[in-house]
Amino acid sequence: GIQVEQSPPDLILQEGANSTLRCNFSDSVNNLQWFHQNPWGQLINLFYIPSGTKQNGRLSATTVATERYSLLYISSSQTTDSGVYFCAVVISGANSKLTFGKGITLSVRP
Amino acid sequence: GAVVSQHPSRVICKSGTSVKIECRSLDFQATTMFWYRQFPKQSLMLMATSNEGSKATYEQGVEKDKFLINHASLTLSTLTVTSAHPEDSSFYICSAVLAGGKNEQFFGPGTRLTVL
Repeated sequence: GIQVEQSPPDLILQEGANSTLRCNFSDSVNNLQWFHQNPWGQLINLFYIPSGTKQNGRLSATTVATERYSLLYISSSQTTDSGVYFCAVVISGANSKLTFGKGITLSVRP
Repeated sequence: GAVVSQHPSRVICKSGTSVKIECRSLDFQATTMFWYRQFPKQSLMLMATSNEGSKATYEQGVEKDKFLINHASLTLSTLTVTSAHPEDSSFYICSAVLAGGKNEQFFGPGTRLTVL
């Protein structure tokens, strides 16, 4: 099956710092989503980004489908950005089934 | 928009009992819903795909008689954990795909099941 690898596995930042989270995938995809799982377990949709670049406030994401990777940028990090960030993809032809990476645990310290 | 609810948010039950978890899309119709489970400090694992009006499709290794799924309407899917045992304790999360839209999934807040 498709492999989804996220790096780094853990990240510790000082408040105000910027960061880049990476997602590599091993096959062609027709959907890629980034999520933030908050401390209560809720997955919050950050981006639906099978290709191209999007921005939403301090967050932005870029997916280069031909090179099979996606990047999530967090600028001016805040303590509320702490949590686990998941990348998930849908293989081309696999309906809507998402395959998740293992996640990146981000801790932003005041 | 695209809000998904789950009920209950937390349940504690005795071993051998059955537990039903509801997943509702509140402001959209969902022909397809998914059920995941998540163990502590791990990623989400897909259990099954629930399609309105048809039988669920289970992932390899998931017992269909253990985890009963019913998708009775375009806004409701239920997961029943039958004869629950302590090893079934986990965080169960559902998601829904907007009917007729792009295949973006929206997730419920999850249900934490503890089997004593």
